[in-house]
Amino acid sequence: NAGVTQTPKFQVLKTGQSMTLQCAQDMNHEYMSWYRQDPGMGLRLIHYSVGAGITDQGEVPNGYNVSRSTTEDFPLRLLSAAPSQTSVYFCASSRKLLSSYNEQFFGPGTRLTVL
Amino acid sequence: DAKTTQPTSMDCAEGRAANLPCNHSTISGNEYVYWYRQIHSQGPQYIIHGLKNNETNEMASLIITEDRKSSTLILPHATLRDTAVYYCIVRDAGGTSYGKLTFGQGTILTVHP
Repeated sequence: NAGVTQTPKFQVLKTGQSMTLQCAQDMNHEYMSWYRQDPGMGLRLIHYSVGAGITDQGEVPNGYNVSRSTTEDFPLRLLSAAPSQTSVYFCASSRKLLSSYNEQFFGPGTRLTVL
Repeated sequence: DAKTTQPTSMDCAEGRAANLPCNHSTISGNEYVYWYRQIHSQGPQYIIHGLKNNETNEMASLIITEDRKSSTLILPHATLRDTAVYYCIVRDAGGTSYGKLTFGQGTILTVHP
């Protein structure tokens, strides 16, 4: 299994440009999520999904859109990039279990700079 | 989810045990303690979790106090590759929380030769 994959690894945008960060997992996980991590800080939840066709907002959703048309893919869209969105973005997935054992698997991250 | 407090940084000599404390004095009865770590620039990695009993796996041990207000992650024989940021997270495993994790700033563990 490839686990959780993210593309691109690095991206530079100009203010106002749009782009989509890709995330895919091959573990048949129902739950997927996007986090952002700013320098010296922990991860903050942007959006999450508990299954295909179902998404919800996390702690910092403004400026980001998501959709979940398949179990495998969970893209994150920036419609009009702003310098405040310069960050490292991590995608994660897990099984949808009402259980204590619900390990999150994280991707390698996308480093985004908005000029 | 309950808030956690961890020291900002800790040092450990290679080959020695690393003991990372976490305070979670407002933890409720149905909340678990999880530990993740993040090695430089990589995505976080699950280490271990527990409710009230001590837990051990191939990576680490987790000691939770009887009143559950604090816990300690133990890396029994730290190596240079254990240098990372360690996050203690308290989460309700039931309901609709599923995989939602609330990360604090964590503890930067530096293992020295």
